[in-house]
Amino acid sequence: GAVVSQHPSWVICKSGTSVKIECRSLDFQATTMFWYRQFPKQSLMLMATSNEGSKATYEQGVEKDKFLINHASLTLSTLTVTSAHPEDSSFYICSARSGGRVTYEQYFGPGTRLTVT
Amino acid sequence: GNSVTQMEGPVTLSEEAFLTINCTYTATGYPSLFWYVQYPGEGLQLLLKATKADDKGSNKGFEATYRKETTSFHLEKGSVQVSDSAVYFCALSDRVDGTASKLTFGTGTRLQVTL
Repeated sequence: GAVVSQHPSWVICKSGTSVKIECRSLDFQATTMFWYRQFPKQSLMLMATSNEGSKATYEQGVEKDKFLINHASLTLSTLTVTSAHPEDSSFYICSARSGGRVTYEQYFGPGTRLTVT
Repeated sequence: GNSVTQMEGPVTLSEEAFLTINCTYTATGYPSLFWYVQYPGEGLQLLLKATKADDKGSNKGFEATYRKETTSFHLEKGSVQVSDSAVYFCALSDRVDGTASKLTFGTGTRLQVTL
């Protein structure tokens, strides 16, 4: 149980275009979802926290207008990278937490590799 | 703020060798501590956790003890297998009342086990 999927697993886009990444909890309802960014050989950096039905809370330094997060249902959150640039190329990982489970356990998706050319 | 420092990899061991991956942390309050493992092509999976001082988390032969006095949570396994080859992340969660706890991760340590 507790499976989280991400789609696509990898994407290449041209500079200036927008890309949407989906994060789904497959067998549980995710009241909270987290979006992380991981640079090569570096740690996962939390970008934002989203609760179903409310606006996402962004970490300091993360541009909310550039990284649009929508948590429209208890099983789906999306991250849209708007007007992508090469410096947005990275590995994006989502995680999900159920309100019915212990408060600290997050379940992670496999990640999406974004390359902006 | 919170931070996690773990040893740089890669760590290369022969099968059946003893494993230690060091992890130390800086946090205010009383964090919960975690080890996550990321196998190739997969998402992070929770390996073990400890929520208070002197707790020992264990799973699949891996162990880590929450040491408040040394602010450490070192990961150990007595005999590694090739299938343990993965990236291991140490993490902490601050205890925020009633809200989703944020995870702060270390940089990850790649373990490669050879025959």
